[in-house]
Amino acid sequence: EVQLVESGGGLVQPGGSLRLSCAASGFIFRSYWMSWVRQAPGKGLEWVAKIKQDGSERSYVDSVRGRFTISRDNPKNSLYLQLNSLTAEDTAVYYCARVMGSGWYDHFDSWGQGTLVSVSS
Amino acid sequence: DIQMTQSPSSLSASIGDRVTITCRASQSVSRFLNWYQQKPGKPPKLLIYDASTLQNGVPSRFSGSGSGTDFTLTISSLQPEDLATYYCQQSYSSLTWTFGQGTRVEAK
Repeated sequence: EVQLVESGGGLVQPGGSLRLSCAASGFIFRSYWMSWVRQAPGKGLEWVAKIKQDGSERSYVDSVRGRFTISRDNPKNSLYLQLNSLTAEDTAVYYCARVMGSGWYDHFDSWGQGTLVSVSS
Repeated sequence: DIQMTQSPSSLSASIGDRVTITCRASQSVSRFLNWYQQKPGKPPKLLIYDASTLQNGVPSRFSGSGSGTDFTLTISSLQPEDLATYYCQQSYSSLTWTFGQGTRVEAK
């Protein structure tokens, strides 16, 4: 069974940093693109970032590019999201998601339960 | 960036009703269009990918259609467990992916 478990969320001051982790199990982690999706309280879903199987390709939504960094450690079956220069607009539940498709009809077929990031003074 | 617009933003329907949700892309996304269902406090669940392919385990009352810029999610006979928010998402762009703003389906 595919399992994705996020951790690392919490309360942080504006301008602060946080590192989110996603522990993957139940599948061959190194074979899949992975992604982060967030959802602000009471709002819709927003795709944040994605990373290729070997980490050689990454892309970001415009609103986080230059502030967030997605990375992965395949031997540890782990996905990460480094969040820097946080603002109140980054307050959201952050979901880790597996990408099925490898560039052809990509879709998110498995999701974690999410970790909440709150940015407030 | 490709913008995705869903309509309506919310709808009220009776159990057993046929429900249709529309998603429009700001430019062609071919068939690179997915649909998700989300219930309060839960992560999204994949329903349909490739515009019309039903994910394993999803009831056959759900169906998707469309290509290019206009897509539809249909629930043929609304069930109580279908009350949720539905999102479309494009994966056509190789760089950035986008979701629609969501459609909330409520009971009448």
